[in-house]
Amino acid sequence: NAGVTQTPKFRVLKTGQSMTLLCAQDMNHEYMYWYRQDPGMGLRLIHYSVGEGTTAKGEVPDGYNVSRLKKQNFLLGLESAAPSQTSVYFCASSYRGDRGYGYTFGSGTRLTVV
Amino acid sequence: DAKTTQPPSMDCAEGRAANLPCNHSTISGNEYVYWYRQIHSQGPQYIIHGLKNNETNEMASLIITEDRKSSTLILPHATLRDTAVYYCIVLNQGGKLIFGQGTELSVKP
Repeated sequence: NAGVTQTPKFRVLKTGQSMTLLCAQDMNHEYMYWYRQDPGMGLRLIHYSVGEGTTAKGEVPDGYNVSRLKKQNFLLGLESAAPSQTSVYFCASSYRGDRGYGYTFGSGTRLTVV
Repeated sequence: DAKTTQPPSMDCAEGRAANLPCNHSTISGNEYVYWYRQIHSQGPQYIIHGLKNNETNEMASLIITEDRKSSTLILPHATLRDTAVYYCIVLNQGGKLIFGQGTELSVKP
């Protein structure tokens, strides 16, 4: 049971390049989320999904796209990377139980855009 | 979503109890209070959550006031490994965790 796995763990991009971050969960969780964290700040929600085939915008969605074609995977895409997107990206999944939601976070992807 | 207010930083002596306060005066009746922590840019780690009653688990205790407008996370015997940023989050029925700035707890020898 791996939990939430993020790929890759580190990446350096040149301005204007594109890339996709992959988040995979093996817990059959319905909900999935992408966050970014800049130095000295809390996590900010980029996009989220409440089920396979659905996505929604979070607090800071501009410059990112997402897809949830399979329940276990949530992809975050950067079409044209900018230095302002240098950040640590965290994926999370959650379920809804009798006592609220249970979240599991991945270990993060450190992205640098030069 | 109900907002939370936490002190930006706190110190605690190793072996003593760490009491981390959180104000959430606009909380609604069906919203849970969650506590997470983040150690040195690792992924956030769940600590505890509650609705109305006080809660305790192997990591911490959560004390929620009767009017639910504030809560306190208690780490009973803080160790150096408890040095982290602690986030108090009010979670509504929509289920999205929205993080604030948190409290940076430093446990000192």
